[in-house]
Amino acid sequence: DAGVIQSPRHEVTEMGQEVTLRCKPISGHNSLFWYRQTMMRGLELLIYFNNNVPIDDSGMPEDRFSAKMPNASFSTLKIQPSEPRDSAVYFCASNTRDHNEQFFGPGTRLTVL
Amino acid sequence: AQSVTQLDSHVSVSEGTPVLLRCNYSSSYSPSLFWYVQHPNKGLQLLLKYTSAATLVKGINGFEAEFKKSETSFHLTKPSAHMSDAAEYFCVVTSPGRRALTFGSGTRLQVQP
Repeated sequence: DAGVIQSPRHEVTEMGQEVTLRCKPISGHNSLFWYRQTMMRGLELLIYFNNNVPIDDSGMPEDRFSAKMPNASFSTLKIQPSEPRDSAVYFCASNTRDHNEQFFGPGTRLTVL
Repeated sequence: AQSVTQLDSHVSVSEGTPVLLRCNYSSSYSPSLFWYVQHPNKGLQLLLKYTSAATLVKGINGFEAEFKKSETSFHLTKPSAHMSDAAEYFCVVTSPGRRALTFGSGTRLQVQP
């Protein structure tokens, strides 16, 4: 299995632009998680999905952030408009209901200038 | 409520000497506990997990951790450090029925030659 796939690996954009991060979970996993990692705040859960349905989005910072999971093999995290304080590494992870450990993707390093 | 405290932000050891990374947890229910490792510019990899079976858990790369309920601790150890162990280590907790993981702030392990 290829593991969790994230794209792009690096994104540099200017303040005010829309940013879309993509994630493909491991085949057969029915839960998907988006995390953000910064020096100041460490690893924070932003949102997670079970069977493509958002369950807990209480970690989403504000309305500029949105996440979708249109099918079992694809999810997006969108920031519109982006701000410099959104600069971070964004991780996607997936698992099944039978196993509570999560499998992480390589992350997307976002820089907003 | 659940939380994790990693008692050391940085640990430095010499190659070939033992490693001890400390973690204390708080959980209202019987927790599941994990250690993840993150090498520079990489994603997170599961080292080991405790899920109410044996209290001494063996993981990959010679690491192990012992669950001590009386001390609410889950310290990570390795008898002999290798240069390739230099990385950031995260202690993580979750509870039954809770899908999200709660991460500690991380411990950066340096291994000196």
